[in-house]
Order: sequence, then C-alpha cells, then structure tokens
Amino acid sequence: QVQLLQSGTEVKKPGASLKVSCKASGFTFFDHYIHWVRQAPGQGLEWMGIINPNEGSTLYAEKFQGRVTLTGDTSTSIVYMELSSLRADDTAVYFCARDRGYHDYEGSLDLWGQGTMVTVSS
Amino acid sequence: ETVLTQSPGTLSLSPGERATLSCRASQTVSSTFVAWYQQKPGQAPRLLIYGASNRATGIPARFSGSGSGTDFTLTVNGLEPEDFAVYYCQQYGSSPITFGQGTRLEIK
Repeated sequence: QVQLLQSGTEVKKPGASLKVSCKASGFTFFDHYIHWVRQAPGQGLEWMGIINPNEGSTLYAEKFQGRVTLTGDTSTSIVYMELSSLRADDTAVYFCARDRGYHDYEGSLDLWGQGTMVTVSS
Repeated sequence: ETVLTQSPGTLSLSPGERATLSCRASQTVSSTFVAWYQQKPGQAPRLLIYGASNRATGIPARFSGSGSGTDFTLTVNGLEPEDFAVYYCQQYGSSPITFGQGTRLEIK
C-alpha cells in the first residue's frame, strides 16, 4: 500500500526539541521529494520545507530557518523533521507529504501522511 | 512571498448545485504551479488539481480548475454530499510555497 506513516502524538515543553518521523512504503523512497506542512488548530496550511531524500539537499521556509532540520535515512525509507526551541505557537498537526514530481521538484503534494499532533505547553 | 487570498470564506450550497471557489495571488503565478486541495475534519488534505487545471489521479470529473496570472478558480459541478469540506489553493512556483486561508463549503 502506497502511504506515508508518521510517528505518534507528542507533548513538549517550551524550549524543547521535537523529532517527527515519516516512513514511506509502497513506493521507491528516492523517487520523490518530501515536504513538511503544518496546521495549527483551526487554521490553514503552512509550508515548512522540502528534502530530496536521494541527495539530502534541503530548502526551508525563511520563517523556520535555523530551527528546522530535515534529514532522510535511505536504509529505512524514513524522513525526519526536527524543530528546536519550541514555543506555544508551534502547537499544530505536522504533515509530511510527497512531491508529485518524479526524480525532480514539481511542488504539488499527491500523498500525505496521517499527521502528527504536537502540543507545546508548560 | 506570494500571498493567496481565497473567497468566499464560507460558501453555503445544496447538493446538486455548482460551487465556484476563487483564489487570488498577490503577484503573478505561472499556471503550471497552482494546485487545489480538499480537506475534511481530522484528515490530511487531498490533492484535487495541479498545474491549475489538471485533475489528480482518481479525482472525479465534476472537479475542474482554471485561471491564469493572479486569478484562479476551482469549480465543482453537481455537488455531492462528500464534497462539503474545506478547500485550499496552493502556489509552488516560488519559495516559500504558500497556501490560501481556505474556503469552507457547507451544506445549505
């Protein structure tokens, strides 16, 4: 089954770091870039960044520069999103999503993970 | 950053009617780089349209997209009960990728 399976719910304290995983199955991991998008409660979608799992190259939204790191493990077909210095307004559902392009960036997102709820609270 | 403004915020229609959703960009976006998504409560978004007018795999023909420049439209002909959801437009022609704030399509 073609899917992206994300790790489970997280509760973090302000200032802590977060690491969410996204495992690809049913398709070749190297063939598609992976994006991360978040959605605060009751709000819209916010793009965080993209990784080319084949090369490890990344591009981050300026808003998250210096706080977010995307990495990929080709042996396990898992992409990780790390976010540091967490604040209350980082409370959101975090999604990984597959780029529709094949071996290249296209930009639309044709397969999404189920989402990981992250709560940041003291 | 390209800001996308969707209108209306909420659209109330009955099954069988046509829905027309608008997405306006703060600067010109190549039509190659505009997509539309549907999101239902508690679910991840689903890709409906890419390249402004191309239906994604498995998307019914009642969904269509159009537009160019700064104005893009998603049309849903003959609304089905399962179409009532929130819809987002996206531009991916320039970084950062941005999304509109969403249009809620509700049953009248």
